Amino acid sequence: AQSVTQLDSQVPVFEEAPVELRCNYSSSVSVYLFWYVQYPNQGLQLLLKYLSGSTLVKGINGFEAEFNKSQTSFHLRKPSVHISDTAEYFCAVSVGTGFQKLVFGTGTRLLVSP
Amino acid sequence: DAGVIQSPRHEVTEMGQEVTLRCKPISGHDYLFWYRQTMMRGLELLIYFNNNVPIDDSGMPEDRFSAKMPNASFSTLKIQPSEPRDSAVYFCASRAQGSHQPQHFGDGTRLSIL
Repeated sequence: AQSVTQLDSQVPVFEEAPVELRCNYSSSVSVYLFWYVQYPNQGLQLLLKYLSGSTLVKGINGFEAEFNKSQTSFHLRKPSVHISDTAEYFCAVSVGTGFQKLVFGTGTRLLVSP
Repeated sequence: DAGVIQSPRHEVTEMGQEVTLRCKPISGHDYLFWYRQTMMRGLELLIYFNNNVPIDDSGMPEDRFSAKMPNASFSTLKIQPSEPRDSAVYFCASRAQGSHQPQHFGDGTRLSIL
């Protein structure tokens, strides 16, 4: 069964510093991978997705992620964070017949301070 | 364009009462998903529909939970009778045909059972 592991429950960082949020997945088949962001009292919003092709995927708000098949990882990065990036970030993998469902990781809370 | 609309945003009720959560998906989306989010268990898929038909309800915790989708623009999640352990944020999401399509989330219903 596919699963997603987000190794860090919380990542504190200073404004304008780079950040990497880690995600590892387990799957014996090709998958679709997603990163979502959740701001307080809101639903999840798509940041980016990997379907196939180039392993470096660019998303909204300056975020990017790199798919690494050999390491089964899909880490999220941003070269310079803003206070407004403070939120919960979720990695997800498509599963099930026809990849219709998503399994989410437990989330990483990014705390950006001045 | 209107996103996924959930109502109510907040619900506080006493245990034993019936609770009905409502969702209006994005027009034209063929899939609808109900999730529950708690600190302890993270984001869990409860059930999903394709073209108004329930496809997978394996995540529904017990018989007290039921979900319906009478038409393409409306779905309900009902809990009867409610219990304090049902307290959580419930999200509805919808997406277009194609497993590569991202899910679009509503802002959730925060449910508190006293």
